Amino acid sequence: DTAVSQTPKYLVTQMGNDKSIKCEQNLGHDTMYWYKQDSKKFLKIMFSYNNKELIINETVPNRFSPKSPDKAHLNLHINSLELGDSAVYFCASSYGTPGNTGELFFGEGSRLTVL
Amino acid sequence: GESVGLHLPTLSVQEGDNSIINCAYSNSASDYFIWYKQESGKGPQFIIDIRSNMDKRQGQRVTVLLNKTVKHLSLQIAATQPGDSAVYFCAENGSNYKLTFGKGTLLTVNP
Repeated sequence: DTAVSQTPKYLVTQMGNDKSIKCEQNLGHDTMYWYKQDSKKFLKIMFSYNNKELIINETVPNRFSPKSPDKAHLNLHINSLELGDSAVYFCASSYGTPGNTGELFFGEGSRLTVL
Repeated sequence: GESVGLHLPTLSVQEGDNSIINCAYSNSASDYFIWYKQESGKGPQFIIDIRSNMDKRQGQRVTVLLNKTVKHLSLQIAATQPGDSAVYFCAENGSNYKLTFGKGTLLTVNP
């Protein structure tokens, strides 16, 4: 009965590789997000989708490509991984558009380590 | 411990004491604010929210105060318990229609 689930929870990979993180929510929400949390715990929004449409794209390098096959899923694909991509990536969802964001429900996070 | 190297603002309290965590926000157009709690190894969890037409809102053991004049938000936790130990974030919903998170405060509750 997990609300927002992300896989994998941990990911260790070499520089230059391509990897994906998947996210699914069973809350019936129509807005989903990717946030990045750095080593200082700072949480920064990367992307937001509303009903499969990209709403927010926060000057993230184009090596990062989100994909929303339906409103319950938002995946994040990262090409040519760099050391600075090491972080915890959180998926979140909410009911309503970003203009009326309301409470965000977060997944447990995916810790990416790039060696 | 987890706080090493983090350089987060920290607050250390004794079990049973009241805690006050402060947050300054930047966007005077923000109309909605949320406090989140993040335990080690987990995602942020909603605690309480407040809209800009209010200055105080109470939940169970928690109270949020909003001072729009000085753009300040605070979270008060009554009778703090060891399970309250976590990083606490304030977040604002500003004119860009996205939830922007503050820096986070590490709360440690000593038994």
